[in-house]
Amino acid sequence: DAKTTQPPSMDCAEGRAANLPCNHSTTSGNEYVYWYRQIHSQGPQYIIHGLKNNETNEMASLIITEDRKSSTLILPHATLRDTAVYYCIVSSHSGYALNFGKGTSLLVTP
Amino acid sequence: EPEVTQTPSHQVTQMGQEVILRCVPISNHLYFYWYRQILGQKVEFLVSFYNNEISEKSEIFDDQFSVERPDGSNFTLKIRSTKLEDSAMYFCASSPDRMGNSPLHFGNGTRLTVT
Repeated sequence: DAKTTQPPSMDCAEGRAANLPCNHSTTSGNEYVYWYRQIHSQGPQYIIHGLKNNETNEMASLIITEDRKSSTLILPHATLRDTAVYYCIVSSHSGYALNFGKGTSLLVTP
Repeated sequence: EPEVTQTPSHQVTQMGQEVILRCVPISNHLYFYWYRQILGQKVEFLVSFYNNEISEKSEIFDDQFSVERPDGSNFTLKIRSTKLEDSAMYFCASSPDRMGNSPLHFGNGTRLTVT
């Protein structure tokens, strides 16, 4: 599976957009990019995923570069409850396991 | 919205004892998973299960561990003889299809403390 690189931590002011970057330079054509988050010690929560095209759902938007070597998760209006560790994971279509890295610890401040 | 439920939320056991962690996956899901997270560390894959057999397992999932789907709703993880280093949060997950274009949905975990 492709490796991902994320900044260890980020801050964002409440109400502003949080843009979380991820590099996945070894992604191949059939590997999806997944984003999960984990609040305190709760179970990881699915946010969004994509293959090539940009995606949007009620939680976030996912922008994947044309070469698929990086992506950005956008939380359009961050709230205090968005404070969490965010994981970018590239998953092989033939695989079963999600391999979590250390993620980005996002702190949303008032 | 349907969710994965796990019981108990906290289990304390003595070293060497057997423990069974229970999970009820989302009802129409076909793939089931166990992950664990030692305090302060990454979430680690243990095992995936489909069609009543293990489809993939990690190096962590040794002979001390086993999984079972005893009926149509439960999915269990058994640790035969617990060790201190088994203390962790254990997360169950399920997905409707093989992962790729099918996100995993996680439960909120069982905190296992081995004394």
